[in-house]
Amino acid sequence: NAGVTQTPKFRILKIGQSMTLQCTQDMNHNYMYWYRQDPGMGLKLIYYSVGAGITDKGEVPNGYNVSRSTTEDFPLRLELAAPSQTSVYFCASSYSGGGTDTQYFGPGTRLTVL
Amino acid sequence: ELKVEQNPLFLSMQEGKNYTIYCNYSTTSDRLYWYRQDPGKSLESLFVLLSNGAVKQEGRLMASLDTKARLSTLHITAAVHDLSATYFCAVDLTPYGQNFVFGPGTRLSVLP
Repeated sequence: NAGVTQTPKFRILKIGQSMTLQCTQDMNHNYMYWYRQDPGMGLKLIYYSVGAGITDKGEVPNGYNVSRSTTEDFPLRLELAAPSQTSVYFCASSYSGGGTDTQYFGPGTRLTVL
Repeated sequence: ELKVEQNPLFLSMQEGKNYTIYCNYSTTSDRLYWYRQDPGKSLESLFVLLSNGAVKQEGRLMASLDTKARLSTLHITAAVHDLSATYFCAVDLTPYGQNFVFGPGTRLSVLP
């Protein structure tokens, strides 16, 4: 199993540009998450999904959109990029949301907005 | 608003020494998670603590949870250089793992 994969690994955007961060998991996990990690900080939840077709906002959803058309994929869309969105973005997944299940994280996408 | 705090934020310790990292959270939760992150890398799950009094151990690391005190500890025994990393605790606000709140992390450096 590849686990959780993310593309691209690095990206530089200009202010106002848009892009989609890709996330795929091959573990048949129901739950998927997007986090951002600012330098020296913990992770903040952007959006999450409990299954295909179901998404909801986390702590910091402004400026982002998500969709979940399949169990495997959970892309994150940035519209009108701003310098405040410079961060490292992590996608994660878990089989269910509770109990002993932990989240498995992808390698991250480092995004810089200039 | 839930706050998750960690203490200390930075820790430099010598090999062979013991130390404890503390994680306090401000609202009721029965589940707490510990993760490790190496520089420039992703997060790796260490422990899942599901109830009051839960204790988990793996190698030189031991984690415990006191839900009444809203406190978790990560104890390091006889530290080695390979334990150098940033350690995060995270609290699940919901019963179904839908809203994790992470602490700011404790950056641990183990010196020879």
